[in-house]
Amino acid sequence: AQSVAQPEDQVNVAEGNPLTVKCTYSVSGNPYLFWYVQYPNRGLQFLLKYITGDNLVKGSYGFEAEFNKSQTSFHLKKPSALVSDSALYFCAVRDRSYNTDKLIFGTGTRLQVFP
Amino acid sequence: NAGVTQTPKFQVLKTGQSMTLQCAQDMNHEYMSWYRQDPGMGLRLIHYSVGAGITDQGEVPNGYNVSRSTTEDFPLRLLSAAPSQTSVYFCASSLARVGYEQYFGPGTRLTVT
Repeated sequence: AQSVAQPEDQVNVAEGNPLTVKCTYSVSGNPYLFWYVQYPNRGLQFLLKYITGDNLVKGSYGFEAEFNKSQTSFHLKKPSALVSDSALYFCAVRDRSYNTDKLIFGTGTRLQVFP
Repeated sequence: NAGVTQTPKFQVLKTGQSMTLQCAQDMNHEYMSWYRQDPGMGLRLIHYSVGAGITDQGEVPNGYNVSRSTTEDFPLRLLSAAPSQTSVYFCASSLARVGYEQYFGPGTRLTVT
């Protein structure tokens, strides 16, 4: 079965420092991978996606993600964190197995950026 | 564009009651889906639809029904509410199948007592 894992429940980083939120995946075939962000009491917002092409994907709010096929990872990164980046981040993978077509989400990582 | 709208924002039900969560989008999106979000479990897909008249089950469909009579609307029905259905429910839509960015509604917080 297709799956995605976010190994860290929470990531803490000081403002101005680089941040990384980790995601690993398990899919058959070529993966479609996504990152979404959820601010308190809001729905999810799309950040970026990888379907094909350049392994470094740039997205909204200065975020980027690196697709690594050999390590089956799709980590979210930002060179300099802001306090306003504090939110819940979800990695997701497209599941096209068993005549279905849907997104499978990870359990989420809470990012806390301290001033 | 209002995007994806959901009503109500909050709801409290007693065990055994039924209700419908409303979802509408004004972006002419073909693909719509319902998720529930529970602490430590991320988002789990309940039902989805790839177009008017077509629906299919997700990971956790039991206790829920859906229909898609128009492109715009995708209501979620709880047939007989149970405390295990206490959750935050999100509706989402995208232009086509999931290769495209999904747009999420603001959510409905449901408590079943």
